[in-house]
Amino acid sequence: ILNVEQSPQSLHVQEGDSTNFTCSFPSSNFYALHWYRWETAKSPEALFVMTLNGDEKKKGRISATLNTKEGYSYLYIKGSQPEDSATYLCAPNQAGTALIFGKGTTLSVSS
Amino acid sequence: DAGITQSPRYKITETGRQVTLMCHQTWSHSYMFWYRQDLGHGLRLIYYSAAADITDKGEVPDGYVVSRSKTENFPLTLESATRSQTSVYFCASKDRGAGETQYFGPGTRLLVL
Repeated sequence: ILNVEQSPQSLHVQEGDSTNFTCSFPSSNFYALHWYRWETAKSPEALFVMTLNGDEKKKGRISATLNTKEGYSYLYIKGSQPEDSATYLCAPNQAGTALIFGKGTTLSVSS
Repeated sequence: DAGITQSPRYKITETGRQVTLMCHQTWSHSYMFWYRQDLGHGLRLIYYSAAADITDKGEVPDGYVVSRSKTENFPLTLESATRSQTSVYFCASKDRGAGETQYFGPGTRLLVL
């Protein structure tokens, strides 16, 4: 079972602030890295799937980078809005295995 | 075009009863998964399946049984429910390939009294 670490565990920012989170994972046998956004009382929603070292993905104000050699990924949110409040999960997987999720970073954005 | 569905959405049962949670996907995805959501632990993998008739244990398989006789269905059975199995259960599916997205069902909220 993969050991996935996400930091910080939680953070609180003001509307308009930019922020970033970290996901650390074992770099051996890397296959893909998934980021999800999970709102309270809903099911996780996929943000990005990243497979190549140096990958950068962007969706609106949210972007992510991937370093497979050192085993980490960053998720950035530019100009946070209250609707960005959610838990952000990352999940690496090795070939032929299931996604194992980190405990997530819970973001709270105040207006 | 329902995608991935779970039933029931809410279930109350008693300790010792057998409970089956259903999961159905319409995409013919190869992989299907069961996770449970727990405070302080996030999402934990119970079982997964790479194809019909192939299943594998996840992080927390004890007390659960799965089967996958058809590609589109992946039921999860609690053989003798315990209070510690009170949780929200999420089913998910994913096609083969490194860049494929994993999609989650709406969840089943289970309360064991």
